[in-house]
Parts: sequence; structure tokens; C-alpha cells
Amino acid sequence: GIQVEQSPPDLILQEGANSTLRCNFSDSVNNLQWFHQNPWGQLINLFYIPSGTKQNGRLSATTVATERYSLLYISSSQTTDSGVYFCAVSSNDYKLSFGAGTTVTVRA
Amino acid sequence: EAGVTQFPSHSVIEKGQTVTLRCDPISGHDNLYWYRRVMGKEIKFLLHFVKESKQDESGMPNNRFLAERTGGTYSTLKVQPAELEDSGVYFCASSPSRRHGGAYEQYFGPGTRLTVT
Repeated sequence: GIQVEQSPPDLILQEGANSTLRCNFSDSVNNLQWFHQNPWGQLINLFYIPSGTKQNGRLSATTVATERYSLLYISSSQTTDSGVYFCAVSSNDYKLSFGAGTTVTVRA
Repeated sequence: EAGVTQFPSHSVIEKGQTVTLRCDPISGHDNLYWYRRVMGKEIKFLLHFVKESKQDESGMPNNRFLAERTGGTYSTLKVQPAELEDSGVYFCASSPSRRHGGAYEQYFGPGTRLTVT
């Protein structure tokens, strides 16, 4: 199956700081999703981004499919951004392979 | 529009007992998936339904796990008999189908936390 590596594993930020999370994957994909797992454990969809760039408020994401990586940018971080961020990919549109996640802690 | 719902949110059972988890996908989504995260491990795919048919059950760990999707609506995942290593969080997800094949992004339910003692 596809291998997914996320970095860094942990990230501590001061409120207001910017950060970049990275997701590397081992094969061609036709589905790539970023999720935020909130304190209650729910996976919240952030982006569906198999290629290109998207922005949603303070968050943006870029996937360079030919180089097999995706980046998630968090700008002006807030304490509510804390949680685990997962990258998940699929090569057949269906079966998602997840990375181990990046745990983000934003301090006030 | 209601999201993916799962029941129960938590279940604590003893080793050897049976547990049935339920998932209600987003209305109109043909594709339904089960995933799980066991302690310290990554979220792993279990199986995929298209309507009532199992398309891929390559992730099912063994024959103690049985998934069904009657009528192509809600799905159940039964674990019988449960073992200690089955403890974890079981997620259900759903997605709409593309007109000419394939599927769009998956939306996840809140998960069922299963504890086997």
C-alpha cells in the first residue's frame, strides 16, 4: 500500500505564529485529504486536494502530485487550531491511507 | 444536511462478548467505509461498500469481524467474539460517487470508542 509520512510529528506554536505541515507519499494518488482531529476525536475535513492549491480562511494547502508531497499552512494560529492534523491519500479514489499525524499545540 | 452518524459513541465489553456498531452515512452517498485506529497505531482501512455490495474488504483483520449494509443504507460492523486487541476507535465514512466512476472526498463520523476488557 501507499506509505504516508507526516512531519513534524509534534509542533508547539505561540498564538499568532505561522506554520507548515508536510505530507509525503510513496505513489501516485488521485485523492488527498487533510483532516483536523478535534479534542472530541472527530475528524473534520479541511481540504480535498489531490493537486493544486486551495485556501480556506487562515488555512491553505498545496499538493505537488508529481513530486508526491502536500503542504498545509496555518497562518496566525489560534488556540482552537490545536489538535492532530492528518493527511490521507488514495490511489484508487476509495481506500485512504493515513499518515501518523502532526500534533499541534498552540499556546496563548 | 446531517453528517455521518455512528452509534454507540462508546462501548465497553468483556473479552468473548459480541458488539455491533452502527453507521448511518450521509443521505445519497453510495460509498461507505469503515476504518479503525487501535492504540498507538495509524488509522487503518477496513472495508468499502458501494451501495449494498462489498467492494474491498482487504483491511478486515480476521473472520471475527462481519460488516453488512442492508439495502444500501446504514451499515453494521459486528465483532464476535471480541478480543483485547480489538480495542480502539472505529470510524465510518461516506462519499458520493462520481458520474463516470470513482468517488469524491470522504466524510467521517465521530467514531465509536470500543474498549474490550
